[in-house]
Amino acid sequence: DAGITQSPRYKITETGRQVTLMCHQTWSHSYMFWYRQDLGHGLRLIYYSAAADITDKGEVPDGYVVSRSKTENFPLTLESATRSQTSVYFCASIEQGIFWNTEAFFGQGTRLTVV
Amino acid sequence: SQQGEEDPQALSIQEGENATMNCSYKTSINNLQWYRQNSGRGLVHLILIRSNEREKHSGRLRVTLDTSKKSSSLLITASRAADTASYFCGTSGSRLTFGEGTQLTVNP
Repeated sequence: DAGITQSPRYKITETGRQVTLMCHQTWSHSYMFWYRQDLGHGLRLIYYSAAADITDKGEVPDGYVVSRSKTENFPLTLESATRSQTSVYFCASIEQGIFWNTEAFFGQGTRLTVV
Repeated sequence: SQQGEEDPQALSIQEGENATMNCSYKTSINNLQWYRQNSGRGLVHLILIRSNEREKHSGRLRVTLDTSKKSSSLLITASRAADTASYFCGTSGSRLTFGEGTQLTVNP
């Protein structure tokens, strides 16, 4: 099925552990994004990618690492998880096409709890 | 800081009334997009307005854009209980960023 999927949907990890959140899209969209949404707040951009092997920092990149070796995948890694990284993480993608004048598609989110 | 900021933070209305939400942003944009988020779900695109457009309609939605004031508004007419959700404006220049959102509650 076409779409954007995140895995896992739920994750509990301990402080100091490394954890990777996966994002996969089937459209071959150029741009992909990672956001975090804390309870009752909006989305803050962590990292984004314009194409394979091109990534850039967003508003809150500290403590996170991304890679994009293939167009369809954009994993987000927390190198050493902290309690402040407890949040819901959303991945999104946009087809470049007519630059930026298209909608973004979001995954269903990964709820991460760091204990 | 985030590019778009929605106002009000929360809005509670009765079914059948109109709901208006506003968004202000800081830097130049290519377009502005409104999204809806039901509790615990990802964002769903509602409508996109380009920087050279002033008004756009889609069903019960009406969006305006004033680039001189760096602001946009989303009007939902004849609201329904099912419209209860959070609404976000997303601005795209070199990247796509969002504000804190407006929590809309439509009471039956």
